Amino acid sequence: DTGVSQDPRHKITKRGQNVTFRCDPISEHNRLYWYRQTLGQGPEFLTYFQNEAQLEKSRLLSDRFSAERPKGSFSTLEIQRTEQGDSAMYLCASSKGGHPANFGAGTRLSVL
Amino acid sequence: GQQLNQSPQSMFIQEGEDVSMNCTSSSIFNTWLWYKQDPGEGPVLLIALYKAGELTSNGRLTAQFGITRKDSFLNISASIPSDVGIYFCAGRWAVQGGSEKLVFGKGTKLTVNP
Repeated sequence: DTGVSQDPRHKITKRGQNVTFRCDPISEHNRLYWYRQTLGQGPEFLTYFQNEAQLEKSRLLSDRFSAERPKGSFSTLEIQRTEQGDSAMYLCASSKGGHPANFGAGTRLSVL
Repeated sequence: GQQLNQSPQSMFIQEGEDVSMNCTSSSIFNTWLWYKQDPGEGPVLLIALYKAGELTSNGRLTAQFGITRKDSFLNISASIPSDVGIYFCAGRWAVQGGSEKLVFGKGTKLTVNP
């Protein structure tokens, strides 16, 4: 059990560029969550998968954001046409049921 | 929308002291969770509470689910330097087929002086 793994740990991009983050959950965890955290705030829910099905999306997740979990294992979060307001830590978590118990270390996105 | 007020925002204590922090909500939750986040890391689940009035311990940590279901408390006894970090409360209205969203507080930053 290596924990939830996120890649990259840091991403610096220019406004307008597309970025993609990857999350590898703990194996056999059927639930996967994406959260976003800005400085001085708690995490904010973005989306939730059960196996490969995306069952819930926050209203925070604009049309520029898309998440996939094609085989029910790893997940990707893509942000198109990034804006400075997208700068944040993007956290992934997984669980076997119930609430997220294991968060990854996150991907810190800086949009210049 | 749902909001959680977590207090205090920060605490500076001496090693060995006890710590109390709390979280209040404008809405009822049926699950309360407490997480700790170290710098550069994701949150780690400390305690989960599922029933109003429930009191649960995890080592030196004790958390309570308020009777009104709108609040929760976390106590840390005999603090040690590795307790340093940011503590978050999170609430969830979990019904079958309902939202999986956790609503987080803004955190309590704990500093422990040796």
